[in-house]
Amino acid sequence: DIVVTQSPDSLAVSLGERATINCKSSQSVLFSSNNKSYLAWYQQKPGQPPKPLIYWASTRESGVPERFSGSGSGTDFTLTISRLQAEDVAVYYCQQYHVTPLTFGGGTKVEIK
Amino acid sequence: QVQLVESGGGVVQPGGSLRLSCAASGFSFNNYAMHWVRQAPGKGLEWVAFIRYDGSRTDYADSVKGRFTISRVKSKNTLYLQMNSLRDEDTAVYYCARVGNNWGDLYHFDYWGQGALVIVSS
Repeated sequence: DIVVTQSPDSLAVSLGERATINCKSSQSVLFSSNNKSYLAWYQQKPGQPPKPLIYWASTRESGVPERFSGSGSGTDFTLTISRLQAEDVAVYYCQQYHVTPLTFGGGTKVEIK
Repeated sequence: QVQLVESGGGVVQPGGSLRLSCAASGFSFNNYAMHWVRQAPGKGLEWVAFIRYDGSRTDYADSVKGRFTISRVKSKNTLYLQMNSLRDEDTAVYYCARVGNNWGDLYHFDYWGQGALVIVSS
């Protein structure tokens, strides 16, 4: 199974500042035939289902603000919130969908400093 | 608009059974693979099961293999999760989720239901 590890577990960032979350997979999730990394990011607020933010490691879902960006390839990935807003307080998860069992990172809780 | 609505959750004793349903609307249900994902109270997300758009392939997490069965009925636009031999550790909110592209298997989840709470307790 591919193990997905996120870091940090939590972080506190001032409003308007940058938040960076890392995600590492134990095996490459890059599919060579299409050169796509099968890695997604989700945002979850209390009492709500996860909301998709990023897929193919760097493609923003429709309607997701431009301050959210994803980068990386292969085994190492990053979610960046360029200027943190109050409504960004949530838990963020990365997920590999390269092979089953699909696996999620443990989550990163983002709070306001 | 796309909607996924789970139902069938509740309290069940260890060793018991429960069947979750996920009613889909607003899209061509028969064209999309579907998944179940669960979240234990205060914990992270755990993938549970997958079914191909036409039902020809299924797959399960090791933790539920042999106990849970995913299925779909295209005439009802409904996804199911039959859960047998339930254990305390199956207590969770169960979400159904749609993949982000029609016909394919391996895509991210672009729509999620609101979830159904299953509590396994004596």
